[in-house]
Amino acid sequence: EAGVAQSPRYKIIEKRQSVAFWCNPISGHATLYWYQQILGQGPKLLIQFQNNGVVDDSQLPKDRFSAERLKGVDSTLKIQPAKLEDSAVYLCASSLRSYNSPLHFGNGTRLTVT
Amino acid sequence: EDQVTQSPEALRLQEGESSSLNCSYTVSGLRGLFWYRQDPGKGPEFLFTLYSAGEEKEKERLKATLTKKESFLHITAPKPEDSATYLCAVLGAGGTSYGKLTFGQGTILTVHP
Repeated sequence: EAGVAQSPRYKIIEKRQSVAFWCNPISGHATLYWYQQILGQGPKLLIQFQNNGVVDDSQLPKDRFSAERLKGVDSTLKIQPAKLEDSAVYLCASSLRSYNSPLHFGNGTRLTVT
Repeated sequence: EDQVTQSPEALRLQEGESSSLNCSYTVSGLRGLFWYRQDPGKGPEFLFTLYSAGEEKEKERLKATLTKKESFLHITAPKPEDSATYLCAVLGAGGTSYGKLTFGQGTILTVHP
């Protein structure tokens, strides 16, 4: 079974620029998550999708972050404009169902904002 | 708000030296407790799910246990390839915690040959 695919692997931008990350989940997984992992910390949920709909975006900084899931499959996460504190690894994960199903993570995009 | 605290922050072991990692949690109703392993530059990899106090799960040199307030990940006779960051996460069941997975900060395990 192919895993969760993410691109790019690395991105370096200047503050106030914009950036987008892409995720392709495991085939058949209805639930998709975006997590932010700052160095030395555990992942923090940004947004959770169930098929096309948003289940939880309570921790998404909506003034600068946006996310969409196209046709219930691929997803993009955008930051505009970026701040220095956005430097982190952005992890995409998917699960077969929401609640109690193990999450399968991609290898993430490491973002550096200078 | 759900909280997960892992200890120690870092653990250095000699090959074959058994030890345990701790995950203490407070959650509004526990639907599940998850253990993940994360290698440098990779995403977390699922290890175990525990659902109720007293439950135990084993996989090779790893055994996870659960009480009402904490979980332990026991590592028996570790090898250098067990070196990684181990993450604990809880899935809440009540109120605003419902369906939310909250991660701890992780324990960095280094096993020396």
